[in-house]
Amino acid sequence: EAEVAQSPRYKITEKSQAVAFWCDPISGHATLYWYRQILGQGPELLVQFQDESVVDDSQLPKDRFSAERLKGVDSTLKIQPAELGDSAMYLCASSLRDREYEQFFGPGTRLTVL
Amino acid sequence: EDKVVQSPLSLVVHEGDTVTLNCSYEVTNFRSLLWYKQEKKAPTFLFMLTSSGIEKKSGRLSSILDKKELFSILNITATQTGDSAVYLCAVEIANSGYALNFGKGTSLLVTP
Repeated sequence: EAEVAQSPRYKITEKSQAVAFWCDPISGHATLYWYRQILGQGPELLVQFQDESVVDDSQLPKDRFSAERLKGVDSTLKIQPAELGDSAMYLCASSLRDREYEQFFGPGTRLTVL
Repeated sequence: EDKVVQSPLSLVVHEGDTVTLNCSYEVTNFRSLLWYKQEKKAPTFLFMLTSSGIEKKSGRLSSILDKKELFSILNITATQTGDSAVYLCAVEIANSGYALNFGKGTSLLVTP
């Protein structure tokens, strides 16, 4: 069964360092999302892509976060410099065009900033 | 500001009990309400609700939406230990990207 792939699964870094997360959506899914989930809370949307274009990045802290999906397939989320408060699970999800309600989530990357 | 509020935040029941989880919302441009189940991994889709009063059912789980009172409930009957999870409610907003706004979730523990 097709799945959303993410790597790494776990990342430990020191504050002020740069980190990058990778996501490969299900083949054919035009829409890709990055969420951040802090322990005990629901996922919070950071950025949404439709193909290679950003549709919504209103909640992305642009001073330190960046995301790209250059060829409209896989995507990278970067944080530079990382801060203690960035410790969270970073989830990637994808969906078919016009079926945004049915988002398939990847396993996530657990980030710990020391 | 768009809000999705779930209650209770946590719940402990015995196997066989019936539980009702609540989700209320205040959003602009409502499109749909969704329920997800999250075990120790990423959320998995349960239901999507768009119309008031129409119950969606899957096995022991069912859900209904009230668009007038702006809430939804998720019912689980004859609970099993495998139902232990965090249940997330999300509201899909019809802006440029149909983003999902998630509630904080209800943590359900079903004991044997």
